[in-house]
Amino acid sequence: QKEVEQDPGPLSVPEGAIVSLNCTYSNSAFQYFMWYRQYSRKGPELLMYTYSSGNKEDGRFTAQVDKSSKYISLFIRDSQPSDSATYLCAMSLLNDYKLSFGAGTTVTVRA
Amino acid sequence: DVKVTQSSRYLVKRTGEKVFLECVQDMDHENMFWYRQDPGLGLRLIYFSYDVKMKEKGDIPEGYSVSREKKERFSLILESASTNQTSMYLCASSLNRGALTLLYNEQFFGPGTRLTVL
Repeated sequence: QKEVEQDPGPLSVPEGAIVSLNCTYSNSAFQYFMWYRQYSRKGPELLMYTYSSGNKEDGRFTAQVDKSSKYISLFIRDSQPSDSATYLCAMSLLNDYKLSFGAGTTVTVRA
Repeated sequence: DVKVTQSSRYLVKRTGEKVFLECVQDMDHENMFWYRQDPGLGLRLIYFSYDVKMKEKGDIPEGYSVSREKKERFSLILESASTNQTSMYLCASSLNRGALTLLYNEQFFGPGTRLTVL
């Protein structure tokens, strides 16, 4: 079993829809939870991060962490064609600089 | 802005060749990483380095070696390339764990090198 599971999709939605992405993980010691966005032919870039449990909102993006269920989510409201990318979840232990990545979900927002 | 550069965007090599992939970062980061990215498998860590001349194996080090002679440069070496090493290779860097930032382990990625081994 992989340490971090993420459905690779692909996911195709119309412009303006809400995009819902999620990952599950097996290591209950993970404390940092991140979402990276990767455009085609580019390296991943950090989109959002949360420490421990809870929600975090940044514009149209909301990240949620449910440590009791070992489940994290990313929601994109009012999706735009420019949101078309691969979204990777990543997580780490408190004092570790290594990240464990999910497989990435490819999202296409249709105009 | 942090900049991580990789020596080539696309590379085609033959089976058995020795291959060097170079990565340079300009933000004085202590940690550097090499990943490969394959469809459905995500990013898998090959090697990482937390200091000059220091290296540790990641999850899939077999068939690879690394070199870090200077802080800003981290090289990945395929001693004898094989077709199953055809992949996208991504380099990343991050601050060390003593940095005064909440998210000291954010990794900054280069654009990747797509390697094809024939």
